[in-house]
Amino acid sequence: AAGVIQSPRHLIKEKRETATLKCYPIPRHDTVYWYQQGPGQDPQFLISFYEKMQSDKGSIPDRFSAQQFSDYHSELNMSSLELGDSALYFCASSLGGRIYEQYFGPGTRLTVT
Amino acid sequence: GQSLEQPSEVTAVEGAIVQINCTYQTSGFYGLSWYQQHDGGAPTFLSYNALDGLEETGRFSSFLSRSDSYGYLLLQELQMKDSASYFCAVRDGEGQGGKLIFGQGTELSVKP
Repeated sequence: AAGVIQSPRHLIKEKRETATLKCYPIPRHDTVYWYQQGPGQDPQFLISFYEKMQSDKGSIPDRFSAQQFSDYHSELNMSSLELGDSALYFCASSLGGRIYEQYFGPGTRLTVT
Repeated sequence: GQSLEQPSEVTAVEGAIVQINCTYQTSGFYGLSWYQQHDGGAPTFLSYNALDGLEETGRFSSFLSRSDSYGYLLLQELQMKDSASYFCAVRDGEGQGGKLIFGQGTELSVKP
């Protein structure tokens, strides 16, 4: 079965640089979520999209933005990167309002040096 | 807001049964989910309880008591591969919006 695809899997950036993370949800899933997870922490919700419209927003810094495109893939854009942005970034998708049942991608490990 | 509490660590031996508890405080309740995450891996959906009672899926079961704002995940016949972090999660928000709020996670160590 198709899973959520994320790219790149690993990314190394310097402070103040920009990064773009991509997510391809499971086909026919209508909602995409982005999470940030630091070492030993729980996933922190950043933002979500339902049918290409932003549906909810969490603790996403103003330096970050995201969108969902017509083909349902989503991108998380991160600017003016800080050392504290180093984390695992997960994308997840769900179907038909089943927010409680999300399918996560393998994650992008971002390291800011 | 929403908050969840679960033990930070649990240790058990292969073949044993372990219960991971989760208590929650929510302004609105839509059910309790459980996720498993191996070190360096992605969270994986395990189960969901919207109503009181026990849901069984193979070796894993999940229980919910809405009156007590409490649930647990029960893992039977523990295997080494069950060593992972387990998160309970609740939904925050209604309609097509909403998001999952995760507990801090319980790290389960299964010993031989």
